[in-house]
Amino acid sequence: DTGVSQDPRHKITKRGQNVTFRCDPISEHNRLYWYRQTLGQGPEFLTYFQNEAQLEKSRLLSDRFSAERPKGSFSTLEIQRTEQGDSAMYLCASTLAPLNTEAFFGQGTRLTVV
Amino acid sequence: AQSVTQLGSHVSVSEGALVLLRCNYSSSVPPYLFWYVQYPNQGLQLLLKYTSAATLVKGINGFEAEFKKSETSFHLTKPSAHMSDAAEYFCAVSDQEAGTALIFGKGTTLSVSS
Repeated sequence: DTGVSQDPRHKITKRGQNVTFRCDPISEHNRLYWYRQTLGQGPEFLTYFQNEAQLEKSRLLSDRFSAERPKGSFSTLEIQRTEQGDSAMYLCASTLAPLNTEAFFGQGTRLTVV
Repeated sequence: AQSVTQLGSHVSVSEGALVLLRCNYSSSVPPYLFWYVQYPNQGLQLLLKYTSAATLVKGINGFEAEFKKSETSFHLTKPSAHMSDAAEYFCAVSDQEAGTALIFGKGTTLSVSS
């Protein structure tokens, strides 16, 4: 297993367009997290899944954001009607709860909205 | 509610000097504490973690941290800095329930000069 994989690594989009990111967690990991990191800040929690169930969403996750994990494996994060303020690094992490205490992160998708 | 404060957004040291990155946390429940490192345009890599066992925790690349409950601190140290240690370092806290979402500090950029 090569770790958490995110695709694409970089995305440039025009304001108002929709974008979708994909995350493939480490095999057998039951929890999957999405974080957003803006320049000069630490990652901020957006949402997480336990298998296919979305168990928690941050208030940062506006109604333009939606995340899915349909079969409890990979996950997608969609942003509709992108705004310049959505420009950030979007990080995915996974873990096997309760066995693991730490999260394993992917390399992130850097979104630039122009 | 949990929070993390990293004192000093930038720390500069000379190669071979002691590295000290400060982290204070706030938590209403016994915490798990983590230090992650991030290189430019990369995801986060776990350096070390405290999960209520030994208070002095040793991690990768010669780093260690000490959990001090009385001071609500979890400072990261390394006796001798190397050029390759230059990166962004994040302290994070979570509940003592394996797999809960991490709350990150704003990060400290470590610069190492020759």
